[in-house]
Amino acid sequence: AQSVSQHNHHVILSEAASLELGCNYSYGGTVNLFWYVQYPGQHLQLLLKYFSGDPLVKGIKGFEAEFIKSKFSFNLRKPSVQWSDTAEYFCAVNAGQGGSEKLVFGKGTKLTVNP
Amino acid sequence: DSGVTQTPKHLITATGQRVTLRCSPRSGDLSVYWYQQSLDQGLQFLIQYYNGEERAKGNILERFSAQQFPDLHSELNLSSLELGDSALYFCASARGQGVGGYTFGSGTRLTVV
Repeated sequence: AQSVSQHNHHVILSEAASLELGCNYSYGGTVNLFWYVQYPGQHLQLLLKYFSGDPLVKGIKGFEAEFIKSKFSFNLRKPSVQWSDTAEYFCAVNAGQGGSEKLVFGKGTKLTVNP
Repeated sequence: DSGVTQTPKHLITATGQRVTLRCSPRSGDLSVYWYQQSLDQGLQFLIQYYNGEERAKGNILERFSAQQFPDLHSELNLSSLELGDSALYFCASARGQGVGGYTFGSGTRLTVV
């Protein structure tokens, strides 16, 4: 069964600091990978996704993620965070084409950015 | 507004009761997914419907059931409610079968007292 691990439960940064949130998945086949963001009181929104091709994926709001197949990782990065990035971030995976389309989520990382 | 509509936004009910949560998917989306989000369990997949038919089942309790109607809206029925059922229930929809990711609704916060 697929599983997703997010190593950091809560990350606290100051504005302009760089961000890297870890995500590791467990699945031996082809995967699609996603990062979602949940701002306080709001629904989950898609930040970025990886299906194939260039392992460095750029998303909205200056976020990017790198897929490293050998490490089963899909870490989220942002060079300089803003107060408005305060939110909870979820990594998710589903099996590639032909597999289960069910999204399996990590437990989330809460990011607090102090002004 | 994501285009996925969930009602009600908040629900407070007593133990032992039954409630129905409703979800209208984004226009053109055929798949509907239900997730439960709680502090200790995170986002747990409950069930998926595709074009009216059950497609996949996750950690859904026997006290819970769902269906998708011909107009593609879906309802999640929770019965014999327990305190531990208090959670955020999210609905998500997808154009096809969700391989490309979903669009989430704003959720229904259920509080069982």
